[in-house]
Amino acid sequence: EIVLTQSPGTLSLSPGERATLSCRASQSVSSSYLAWYQQKPGQAPRLLIYGASSRATGIPDRFSGSGSGTDFTLTISRLEPEDFAVYYCQQYGSFFGQGTKLEIK
Amino acid sequence: QVQLVQSGAEVKKPGASVKVSCKASGYTFTSYGISWVRQAPGQGLEWMGWISAYNGNTNYAQKLQGRVTMTTDTSTSTAYMELRSLRSDDTAVYYCARSTLYTLSHCDYWGQGTLVTVSS
Repeated sequence: EIVLTQSPGTLSLSPGERATLSCRASQSVSSSYLAWYQQKPGQAPRLLIYGASSRATGIPDRFSGSGSGTDFTLTISRLEPEDFAVYYCQQYGSFFGQGTKLEIK
Repeated sequence: QVQLVQSGAEVKKPGASVKVSCKASGYTFTSYGISWVRQAPGQGLEWMGWISAYNGNTNYAQKLQGRVTMTTDTSTSTAYMELRSLRSDDTAVYYCARSTLYTLSHCDYWGQGTLVTVSS
């Protein structure tokens, strides 16, 4: 069983700043099988990135994904007010990371 | 547009069963799979399993094996998730989500969620 560990648990930043979220796997994960989701309170998750680096339909280009093997990163280049939420990584058809809460500083 | 509309909230007693429905529209139902994900109050996301709407193949999370059954009705483009022998720690919001026909898949569209409360 592959465990996904996200860091940090909480990230406090201001609008306009750059956010870097990490997802580390306990074993190597195929890059094709790593996704990132955004979830706001009271809402269903929304797919941001699939295949580690491909943006989903309608996702702004300030969101980007990278990484391979055991280390993956979600980067938000310039934070907008609507980006403050919880972010999860997932190995396809399997476990999610525990989430990173991105909060306004 | 792709939509997944789930059934309403449920309150069940421990030991009972619950069946949540997920009606799909806006795409060819049998060209995709459906994944189920749950979220306990204040907690993270837990993947429960996947079903192919093309041929009914399933892949369940090991911890739920024997208690969960996922099915589809292609005549109504509806997916179902039944969970049996409910316990208090099954209290959660249950989501369906569109996936590909491969068991290993991301989830690109999500239902609104169904709150299942297990309480005596």
